[in-house]
Amino acid sequence: AQKITQTQPGMFVQEKEAVTLDCTYDTSDPSYGLFWYKQPSSGEMIFLIYQGSYDQQNATEGRYSLNFQKARKSANLVISASQLGDSAMYFCAMRASDMRFGAGTRLTVKP
Amino acid sequence: DAGVIQSPRHEVTEMGQEVTLRCKPISGHDYLFWYRQTMMRGLELLIYFNNNVPIDDSGMPEDRFSAKMPNASFSTLKIQPSEPRDSAVYFCASSPGQKSYEQYFGPGTRLTVT
Repeated sequence: AQKITQTQPGMFVQEKEAVTLDCTYDTSDPSYGLFWYKQPSSGEMIFLIYQGSYDQQNATEGRYSLNFQKARKSANLVISASQLGDSAMYFCAMRASDMRFGAGTRLTVKP
Repeated sequence: DAGVIQSPRHEVTEMGQEVTLRCKPISGHDYLFWYRQTMMRGLELLIYFNNNVPIDDSGMPEDRFSAKMPNASFSTLKIQPSEPRDSAVYFCASSPGQKSYEQYFGPGTRLTVT
């Protein structure tokens, strides 16, 4: 069975600092994709970053990077130089046979 | 492109009534997903289609829920009869391909069943 786990219900970070949001997954499918989405208080789901299971390098998109450790089945999101606008819910998701989302982590950036 | 379009954005209905949620995916996307989001259960996949064919409906909670995709540009999620526990935000998302493609989400429909 496929499973996505986010163990941090809430995280706080000081503005301009980096923060890591944890995500672990489990699947028997050798081919899968890992995604991170941001959901601000307005409710929309915003795609941030993607990592393929066969990708050799960690994905990066601007201030977002994905720390992919395949042997540990982890796909942590790193946000560098946090901004107040980064305050939101963050969801990790895995797409193999279907698409599963983690429970989310609420990030609060303090000024 | 207009993105994924959902209607209505908000729906308030009484218990027992039929509710129909609508979704127009992004043109050219051949995957369509329906999700439900609640505080208690998070974001749950209800059903997804590939080329208008339902592939996995194991997330549909019960027979009161049904989804159709009569053509590539339109899908509906119907609840009949509705119950207060169906109150949630329902998202539709589309994707241009398989595992390596992100899903583009619609704005969601906030359903309240009284």
